[in-house]
Amino acid sequence: SQQGEEDPQALSIQEGENATMNCSYKTSINNLQWYRQNSGRGLVHLILIRSNEREKHSGRLRVTLDTSKKSSSLLITASRAADTASYFCATEEYGNKLVFGAGTILRVKS
Amino acid sequence: DTGVSQDPRHKITKRGQNVTFRCDPISEHNRLYWYRQTLGQGPEFLTYFQNEAQLEKSRLLSDRFSAERPKGSFSTLEIQRTEQGDSAMYLCASSLGPGASTEQYFGPGTRLTVT
Repeated sequence: SQQGEEDPQALSIQEGENATMNCSYKTSINNLQWYRQNSGRGLVHLILIRSNEREKHSGRLRVTLDTSKKSSSLLITASRAADTASYFCATEEYGNKLVFGAGTILRVKS
Repeated sequence: DTGVSQDPRHKITKRGQNVTFRCDPISEHNRLYWYRQTLGQGPEFLTYFQNEAQLEKSRLLSDRFSAERPKGSFSTLEIQRTEQGDSAMYLCASSLGPGASTEQYFGPGTRLTVT
């Protein structure tokens, strides 16, 4: 079963705009990670935020974590056509196994 | 290039046949994971290894599925008597471990189609 739920399921924006995706989860976590998957390819790790952190930045990415609400958000600023992909949040459980949500499909139009 | 390789990339088989997939992790990684992903869904955990020991198996892993990592390096995932419901992308990932939480590096996947 899947732990996280991403919202929205799909998002279409113009190049240069910001994209925000949300993730909710159900149980206590060690950390929460975001991955990107381009069409037909494997997943690429974007950013990890630990359960005792509230915000983290990496380049054009900003991730927040609210453990009281069991939710996280991923913000991509100044989007590019190359950001078109599916984005998944994943919570890390015992043994470092990841439990993924269903993902958000992002389309950036140029 | 994440460094995790999987073979084959695509496999088409007839229902009832057995298939085997191979995963070569990043050489210094001692944890290896198998996930399955169906269309429109996120990956679902199947099993993972710490070196050669298989430490956990998901309920998704029926007795038709078996995974090995005989020397703590590459791993194989075998599906016996394939069913159409087995059609999916099978993803392998590796990471450092145990202990500190670390990112997982995923391979390109093996897409299985059961006809």
